[in-house]
Amino acid sequence: DADVTQTPRNRITKTGKRIMLECSQTKGHDRMYWYRQDPGLGLRLIYYSFDVKDINKGEISDGYSVSRQAQAKFSLSLESAIPNQTALYFCATSDLTGYYGYTFGSGTRLTVV
Amino acid sequence: GEDVEQSLFLSVREGDSSVINCTYTDSSSTYLYWYKQEPGAGLQLLTYIFSNMDMKQDQRLTVLLNKKDKHLSLRIADTQTGDSAIYFCAELTDTGRRALTFGSGTRLQVQP
Repeated sequence: DADVTQTPRNRITKTGKRIMLECSQTKGHDRMYWYRQDPGLGLRLIYYSFDVKDINKGEISDGYSVSRQAQAKFSLSLESAIPNQTALYFCATSDLTGYYGYTFGSGTRLTVV
Repeated sequence: GEDVEQSLFLSVREGDSSVINCTYTDSSSTYLYWYKQEPGAGLQLLTYIFSNMDMKQDQRLTVLLNKKDKHLSLRIADTQTGDSAIYFCAELTDTGRRALTFGSGTRLQVQP
């Protein structure tokens, strides 16, 4: 099994719909992150969580919300999806320091039509 | 603030060396990373360097850090077609957001 599992792998949804992307990790790490990847823009941070009770906004949090259900689970929601949220979404995890790098999931490709 | 910049594209011939460059703006950057993304896949950590180092070598990979110019480079020796991917530079600081900030990625194309 992968260290970081994201579901679904691909999703097409309609404008205005609520959608949840799920992430779980088996690394036993406290820190988890959600990033969005757009061509030519690299990865941008949406939300991050240092533990179950510590959730922080990243640089592009508008239109998104998150829930840290347990140490191993961190879900991302789009309350009312819009076409410019079409992107590749990555979940990642790290140890308490983050110094030794992050472990990424395989990504969720989301298309909003 | 945190900002990381990379050129978008690099093309090399198989067997040549590749050098991918990155500049960053945050002088408090403590840790710098190179990630590789193959088509349809997530990001794979290639290597990292701490700011108290100037160079790090790992098999075919050499990372050079110039703190004065805030410049990081990744050299891949004897580049192979399997090295074709997008390479991301990222920084982590001990202040502010304390999460990785990524560059836009450099697409490396290796021609046979």
